[in-house]
Amino acid sequence: DAGVIQSPRHEVTEMGQEVTLRCKPISGHNSLFWYRQTMMRGLELLIYFNNNVPIDDSGMPEDRFSAKMPNASFSTLKIQPSEPRDSAVYFCASRQGHEQYFGPGTRLTVT
Amino acid sequence: EDQVTQSPEALRLQEGESSSLNCSYTVSGLRGLFWYRQDPGKGPEFLFTLYSAGEEKEKERLKATLTKKESFLHITAPKPEDSATYLCAVQDFGNEKLTFGTGTRLTIIP
Repeated sequence: DAGVIQSPRHEVTEMGQEVTLRCKPISGHNSLFWYRQTMMRGLELLIYFNNNVPIDDSGMPEDRFSAKMPNASFSTLKIQPSEPRDSAVYFCASRQGHEQYFGPGTRLTVT
Repeated sequence: EDQVTQSPEALRLQEGESSSLNCSYTVSGLRGLFWYRQDPGKGPEFLFTLYSAGEEKEKERLKATLTKKESFLHITAPKPEDSATYLCAVQDFGNEKLTFGTGTRLTIIP
């Protein structure tokens, strides 16, 4: 199994631009989680889906952030417009049972 | 609100020098406590899940233990390849979210 796949691995963009991060979960996993990791705040949950349905988006920082899961094998996290304070590493994780398995992350830099 | 505190923030050990990492937690009802390892530039890698006080799990040089208030990750005779950040997380009953600590950065010196 290839594990959780994320793209791009690195993204550098200018303030105000739209950013789309992509995730392919492990096949057969029915839950998907989006996290953000920074030095200051550590690993924070943004949103999670069960069976493609958003369950809890209370961690999404503001309306500039949105996430979708159109099918069991694909999810996106969109930031529009992006701001420098959005710079962080964004992780996607999928789960079957209790354990979550993380992707390699997308390092986002907003200048 | 669930809380997780890890200590120390950073730990440097000589190769072969055993030690323990601490994870203190506050949760209304523990569904599971999770340990992850994170290498620089990579995502967290799952290590262990503990469900109830008194439970222990081992993997190579690592052993995780759990009490009602804290968990320890014991590292026996570590090697340089054990250098990483170790993260602890808890899951509450009725909630599928994991609450993570800020991690312990472990460095093993050859």
